[in-house]
Amino acid sequence: DQQVKQNSPSLSVQEGRISILNCDYTNSMFDYFLWYKKYPAEGPTFLISISSIKDKNEDGRFTVFLNKSAKHLSLHIVPSQPGDSAVYFCAASASTGNQFYFGTGTSLTVIP
Amino acid sequence: EAGVTQFPSHSVIEKGQTVTLRCDPISGHDNLYWYRRVMGKEIKFLLHFVKESKQDESGMPNNRFLAERTGGTYSTLKVQPAELEDSGVYFCASSQVPGSLYGYTFGSGTRLTVV
Repeated sequence: DQQVKQNSPSLSVQEGRISILNCDYTNSMFDYFLWYKKYPAEGPTFLISISSIKDKNEDGRFTVFLNKSAKHLSLHIVPSQPGDSAVYFCAASASTGNQFYFGTGTSLTVIP
Repeated sequence: EAGVTQFPSHSVIEKGQTVTLRCDPISGHDNLYWYRRVMGKEIKFLLHFVKESKQDESGMPNNRFLAERTGGTYSTLKVQPAELEDSGVYFCASSQVPGSLYGYTFGSGTRLTVV
């Protein structure tokens, strides 16, 4: 049973605009949340993370928001660039756990 | 620093054959993980090594899958005999600290196709 869900398989955004990728989770024991970016024929690459004690974490153009009551997180990319076109995976883990649970990914296309 | 290396990058085998995937983690990373992504689905945990010991193998699908990590260095994942549903991309990852906010470093994966 999937504990991390990304309900949008794909998203297209114009260059310079904001990209918003969403992720929902079901397990209230999760307290680490990560976003990975994946290009074709490559492995996922760590992008940004947030712990459950925060509701926002920012790194340059990337911001992750966490709403614990709704069990929802989102990744904002501003401004979007063509090089951001990739598949983005949301992942979650309990700090005491061994594994990350991943979503199915959202394919982002940034149109020049 | 060399990244996580996986070999081969692609493998096409017939149902019933045996395939062995190899992963070389980042040097000094005690934690090594195997994950799998079946087409269009989530990336799913298979198992976790700490050095040469299996810490968690709860994600291994069945006893046709055997993972080893000799001497706490590289790891192999053997599928014997392979079935059609074993097709997917197998990722290896490593980390110094398990389950941290910095996640893991992934390899590029081995794409396994069973025909």
